[in-house]
Amino acid sequence: QVQLVQSGAEVKKPGASVKVSCKASGYTFTDYYMHWVRQAPGQGLEWMGRINPNSGGTNYAQTFQGRVTMSRDTSISTAYMELSSLRSDDTAVYYCAREETTGDYSDWGQGALVTVSS
Amino acid sequence: DIQMTQSPSSLSASVGDRVTITCQASQDINNYLNWYQQKPGKAPKLLIYDASNLETGVPLRFSGSGSGTDFTFTISGLQPEDIATYYCQQHDNLPYTFGQGTKLEIK
Repeated sequence: QVQLVQSGAEVKKPGASVKVSCKASGYTFTDYYMHWVRQAPGQGLEWMGRINPNSGGTNYAQTFQGRVTMSRDTSISTAYMELSSLRSDDTAVYYCAREETTGDYSDWGQGALVTVSS
Repeated sequence: DIQMTQSPSSLSASVGDRVTITCQASQDINNYLNWYQQKPGKAPKLLIYDASNLETGVPLRFSGSGSGTDFTFTISGLQPEDIATYYCQQHDNLPYTFGQGTKLEIK
């Protein structure tokens, strides 16, 4: 069965960067886009962007342009999301989600809490 | 970006009630509309894809309808385990935007 296992919680200072990983198993990693969605405490879901694991091509939400970098390592079926110049309002749970051919997210990682605090 | 307007933002209903949530897109999204359920501390779970298709394993009391810009999500016979926040999401155009969410509580 499909599994997406994310790295653990992180605490970062303002201005720092964080890199969250998402290890995929149970399917061919390069066949499906991987998306990143975040959720601030008590707030809704916010789409950050996606990566094509086959080509490495990316699409980012305008909100994060210049601060986010999505990458992958196909040898270990792992996707990464790096967010730089962290601010307190970047405190959130960051999810990876696999995009099915039908355009939905039937598989999600467990989420990684990133706390930005001085 | 396509804006998704979901209502109501919160809803209180009794077990057995029929519950309806609406989602309106700022432009035609060609039925590319998904519905997710999220329980506290958990990742969202896909319930409905492409407006009206029930994800495998999801109980039949959940349904979706609509087309173009106006969509409806229905729970026919609310159960205690349905307490959650529900989100719509369009996947017609990037960015794949979500509605603001509807928090469902039991009366």
